[in-house]
Amino acid sequence: NAGVTQTPKFRVLKTGQSMTLLCAQDMNHEYMYWYRQDPGMGLRLIHYSVGEGTTAKGEVPDGYNVSRLKKQNFLLGLESAAPSQTSVYFCASRAPKRGGWNEQFFGPGTRLTVL
Amino acid sequence: RKEVEQDPGPFNVPEGATVAFNCTYSNSASQSFFWYRQDCRKEPKLLMSVYSSGNEDGRFTAQLNRASQYISLLIRDSKLSDSATYLCSCSGGYNKLIFGAGTRLAVHP
Repeated sequence: NAGVTQTPKFRVLKTGQSMTLLCAQDMNHEYMYWYRQDPGMGLRLIHYSVGEGTTAKGEVPDGYNVSRLKKQNFLLGLESAAPSQTSVYFCASRAPKRGGWNEQFFGPGTRLTVL
Repeated sequence: RKEVEQDPGPFNVPEGATVAFNCTYSNSASQSFFWYRQDCRKEPKLLMSVYSSGNEDGRFTAQLNRASQYISLLIRDSKLSDSATYLCSCSGGYNKLIFGAGTRLAVHP
């Protein structure tokens, strides 16, 4: 199993450009998440999905859109990139667990720089 | 105020030392708690869950204090390989984990 994979690993954008980050998981997990990590800020939740065809806003959703057309994929889109979106983006997934919480697995991250 | 707060460190300790990290959380409704380890330029990986009764895994002990709303991680007999950033997290609702900014540990010879 590859676990959680992310594409691309690195990207440099100019302000105003758009791009899509792809997250894929082969563990048949229902829940998927997009976080961004900035120095001193920790991991902040951007958007998440509790199943195919569903999405919900997290803590910092502005400037991002997401789609979950297939259970194994969760896409994060930046329509018009801004320098404030320079960050490391992590995708994560987990299986739901009644009355508890299963381990959340993270992808290797995408390092995005917006000039 | 952040929902989950940690001392950013760094904690610089010699090999063999015992070191403890605390983490406070603001959501009294949180039910699940975890410690993650993150190596430089890598993704976070689950270190251990934190149960109400406390739990131990080898040199690592995690405890939860609901009354004071904090969780702790104790590392005994520190190894060079323990050098990393330790993230605490708690459930922020039915589907979300909220993370602290992390505590950096540097173990030196």
